[in-house]
Amino acid sequence: EDQVTQSPEALRLQEGESSSLNCSYTVSGLRGLFWYRQDPGKGPEFLFTLYSAGEEKEKERLKATLTKKESFLHITAPKPEDSATYLCAVLGGGYNKLIFGAGTRLAVHP
Amino acid sequence: DAGVTQSPTHLIKTRGQQVTLRCSPKSGHDTVSWYQQALGQGPQFIFQYYEEEERQRGNFPDRFSGHQFPNYSSELNVNALLLGDSALYLCASSPDRNNEQFFGPGTRLTVL
Repeated sequence: EDQVTQSPEALRLQEGESSSLNCSYTVSGLRGLFWYRQDPGKGPEFLFTLYSAGEEKEKERLKATLTKKESFLHITAPKPEDSATYLCAVLGGGYNKLIFGAGTRLAVHP
Repeated sequence: DAGVTQSPTHLIKTRGQQVTLRCSPKSGHDTVSWYQQALGQGPQFIFQYYEEEERQRGNFPDRFSGHQFPNYSSELNVNALLLGDSALYLCASSPDRNNEQFFGPGTRLTVL
């Protein structure tokens, strides 16, 4: 069965303290891995799509990487405004639905 | 360019009632997907519409139904509401099934 597991469930960082979030996946025929940011009570905001192992994408303080079994979202020198829940999702072969992990709740304190 | 819009923002219903949620996709997008997100969980796929037809369905009962109109907007209908239907309902649009899905702000449904 296709599934996505994110770790840790919650992460507390000091401003400027870099860290990484993990997304492990099991899927038949990966057609894309997606990272979203979600603020409380709002819809997910698209961040990145990764399609193949070895691919990397960057946006401001965020960098996403992909291997055959997992993806990492690296956060460099985070600021309080980076506090949010980060969701990982996969699109597999034979279907059109995104399968999401439960997310990592990130809190960045000044 | 307006993104995905949803209405209403919040809704309170009682058990057994019926509800209709609405979604307008991002300009240029013709595929609409609906997701249910319980508190503290990731979104769960309900169904996807393309060319006014349901293309794929997740593990949700028949109480959940939908529709897509010629202008690509969509509705989600839920009949015989249960307490467990309380959640954030998200609409996502994409230009086709292989591309990124962009989400709307969601409708918060509370069933009392």
